Amino acid sequence: SQQGEEDPQALSIQEGENATMNCSYKTSINNLQWYRQNSGRGLVHLILIRSNEREKHSGRLRVTLDTSKKSSSLLITASRAADTASYFCAHNSGGSNYKLTFGKGTLLTVNP
Amino acid sequence: GAVVSQHPSRVICKSGTSVKIECRSLDFQATTMFWYRQFPKKSLMLMATSNEGSKATYEQGVEKDKFLINHASLTLSTLTVTSAHPEDSSFYICSARRDGTDTQYFGPGTRLTVL
Repeated sequence: SQQGEEDPQALSIQEGENATMNCSYKTSINNLQWYRQNSGRGLVHLILIRSNEREKHSGRLRVTLDTSKKSSSLLITASRAADTASYFCAHNSGGSNYKLTFGKGTLLTVNP
Repeated sequence: GAVVSQHPSRVICKSGTSVKIECRSLDFQATTMFWYRQFPKKSLMLMATSNEGSKATYEQGVEKDKFLINHASLTLSTLTVTSAHPEDSSFYICSARRDGTDTQYFGPGTRLTVL
């Protein structure tokens, strides 16, 4: 079952602004991953953060993880129109099956 | 690296027919692959975990006889939708976990339309 919750469900910003998306989960995790999906396409892996990490950067992306609050955030700085997509968080709760539980996603629209 | 392909990308079939979807990891080995289903504007729902050389593990509520999974090699898993019905119409996405890592790489998806 999909237990992750993300907010906001939809976010509309202007090019150049920063976009912040949040994700919460209910179980303990081994790691949390963020993915991007353009409409009707597959998912692109953006970043993985492990349960013992608090912050991770990749280019214009910054991910934080607060295991005490069971939440994570994805910050995209200096957004571009090409960043328009749906963003999903997914967590892995450990174990040998490596299953991911996906959040409901945030639809980000960056207006030129 | 880490490319996953799916074939076909789009398929239209009649009710009652079976449809096979292939998922391939092109440049890495994947002992474990996953099959998801996604409804419009919704998140991904895990259907089953596919393990090379063994039976797939299905999520609760997913009929194993309806959605046949075969993972015959370290780079190929197939999902066969048997006796398809219009309610099976959906976007099916596979992912492959690169052996030795936690990261899943996703295929581009297959749009199935059952008439």
